[in-house]
Order: sequence, then C-alpha cells, then structure tokens
Amino acid sequence: AQSVAQPEDQVNVAEGNPLTVKCTYSVSGNPYLFWYVQYPNRGLQFLLKYITGDNLVKGSYGFEAEFNKSQTSFHLKKPSALVSDSALYFCAVREYGGSQGNLIFGKGTKLSVKP
Amino acid sequence: NAGVTQTPKFQVLKTGQSMTLQCAQDMNHEYMSWYRQDPGMGLRLIHYSVGAGITDQGEVPNGYNVSRSTTEDFPLRLLSAAPSQTSVYFCASNPKYMGTDTQYFGPGTRLTVL
Repeated sequence: AQSVAQPEDQVNVAEGNPLTVKCTYSVSGNPYLFWYVQYPNRGLQFLLKYITGDNLVKGSYGFEAEFNKSQTSFHLKKPSALVSDSALYFCAVREYGGSQGNLIFGKGTKLSVKP
Repeated sequence: NAGVTQTPKFQVLKTGQSMTLQCAQDMNHEYMSWYRQDPGMGLRLIHYSVGAGITDQGEVPNGYNVSRSTTEDFPLRLLSAAPSQTSVYFCASNPKYMGTDTQYFGPGTRLTVL
C-alpha cells in the first residue's frame, strides 16, 4: 500500500535561513510526488511535483524539492525563508502505473518562520 | 475559469440533521474527490469519482453519500450528522484519475455538528 510520512509536526526557522520540510514515501513501483501548501483558512495550493527526470524540482514561491530514490524521500527546501512562508505543508504520492490513482497525503508539517 | 468551487463556506448542524455540501468545477475534469481535514490527521479521502456516473469509496466513507450525475458537479451528502463529522471538507479535481496530473482544491467548507 502507498503511504507518505512527514516526520515533523512543526518546523521553526528564522527569516533568511534555509528551510527543509521532510517527506518520505512508500510505493511498490515508481512514484509521482507532490507538495502542497495551505495558508490559514484556505484550500490547498499546488507547489511542485516530481514525475521523472531531474531529481531537483523547482516550484512556486522559490521552493524546490529533491527526489532521492534510494532514501525514498522528497524533501521540500527553500534557500531563504520568509515570514510569509509560514503555513501548513503537505506531501503527497501517487503510484505510477498503479491501480490506485488517488493521491495519498501525509499528515502535514506546520512551518513557522520568525522575523 | 472559477476552478473548483464549494458551498457553503461554513455550516452548523445539529446531530441527526442532514445536508449536502456542494462542489463544482468548470475545467472539464474527469476525476473529483472529497477529503476531510482534521487536526493531526492530514487529509483523508472520503469518496471519489473517475467520471460521470461512477463513484467509489475512499478511506473514510461511512456516514457520507455521493453521486456524479454530471462532469461538473460532485455533491457530498451527510445523511444523519454526528459530532464526529465536525471537520473541514475539501473538494478536489484533476483531469484524469491516474497519471501526472496536478489536483486542484476548492476553498473548503467548515462544518460543525453540535
């Protein structure tokens, strides 16, 4: 069965410092991986996705994510955090070619960026 | 395009009442789904549809019904509301059931059951 783990409930970062939000996944085949962001009282917004090719994926708002097949990880990164990046971040996976097309979401990581 | 729209934004029900959460998309997407979001639980799939006339259960379907008579609309019905159904509900759509497509989310409905 597919699954996604976000090991940190909360990540605290000072503004201007680099940030990392961790995600690991489990699928039996090749994965499609996604990151979404949710600002307070809003729906989920798409940030980026990994389908195939370059392991470093660039997305919206200066975010990027690195796919590591050997470690089954897809960590979200940003070189310099902004206070406005404070939000809830979700990692999700869909199995390539599998019978299940639904996205499986992690439990979310709350990012708090302090001035 | 309006994208994915949901109504109402907020709703308070009494235990035992029924209601329908509305969801519509104007992107001609085949796939639509309903999630509930609870603190510390992430998003859990309630029901989904791979096309008009086709629906299936997700992870937490009990207490909810869905139908998909048109490509655009995918309402979620609570038959007899319970306090355990207090949650934020999100509708989502993407072009196809499988593959590389990005899933698009509505703004959510915040439901409280007293």
